[in-house]
Amino acid sequence: DAGVTQSPTHLIKTRGQQVTLRCSPISGHKSVSWYQQVLGQGPQFIFQYYEKEERGRGNFPDRFSARQFPNYSSELNVNALLLGDSALYLCASSFQGSSYEQYFGPGTRLTVT
Amino acid sequence: AQSVTQLDSHVSVSEGTPVLLRCNYSSSYSPSLFWYVQHPNKGLQLLLKYTSAATLVKGINGFEAEFKKSETSFHLTKPSAHMSDAAEYFCVVSEAGRRALTFGSGTRLQVQP
Repeated sequence: DAGVTQSPTHLIKTRGQQVTLRCSPISGHKSVSWYQQVLGQGPQFIFQYYEKEERGRGNFPDRFSARQFPNYSSELNVNALLLGDSALYLCASSFQGSSYEQYFGPGTRLTVT
Repeated sequence: AQSVTQLDSHVSVSEGTPVLLRCNYSSSYSPSLFWYVQHPNKGLQLLLKYTSAATLVKGINGFEAEFKKSETSFHLTKPSAHMSDAAEYFCVVSEAGRRALTFGSGTRLQVQP
């Protein structure tokens, strides 16, 4: 069975640009969560979507937004990139809209120069 | 509010010796607790979870953890370390009904030959 997939694997952007990251959940999973992992730290919660609706939001600025599509895949958008946005962005899927049993993808490494 | 403290940022053991990674948690409600492992350049893998059933939880690859409510601890152990266990380990807490996983800062496990 395919796990959580994310694209692209790596990305290099310039300050001020916008970026879109993509995630496909495990088949049958209806919830997708996004986390940011800065080098040397644990992941920080950004968003959770369940059945195409935002169900949770972490302490991130409005430059961060996301959406979930009818097929339960998801996109994370970050506008007006800052150097501090450089991180590994992880997507996790779960069957229901709770935090139990989240399965993580390999992540997208974003570098902002 | 929920939080996790991993008491050691780095642990070094010899191959074949026991592993102990320490974690204390804070939660207002009955928590769910998890241990995830992250190998270099790979996503997070769920090792084991505690969700109010048995207090001694067995996970994959010979790891286990014991939930001690009186000590608010959830330490991860393994009787005999293997070279392949070298990785970053995260203790994670989630309260019932919350959408987000809260990660500790991680413990890097080094296994010496």
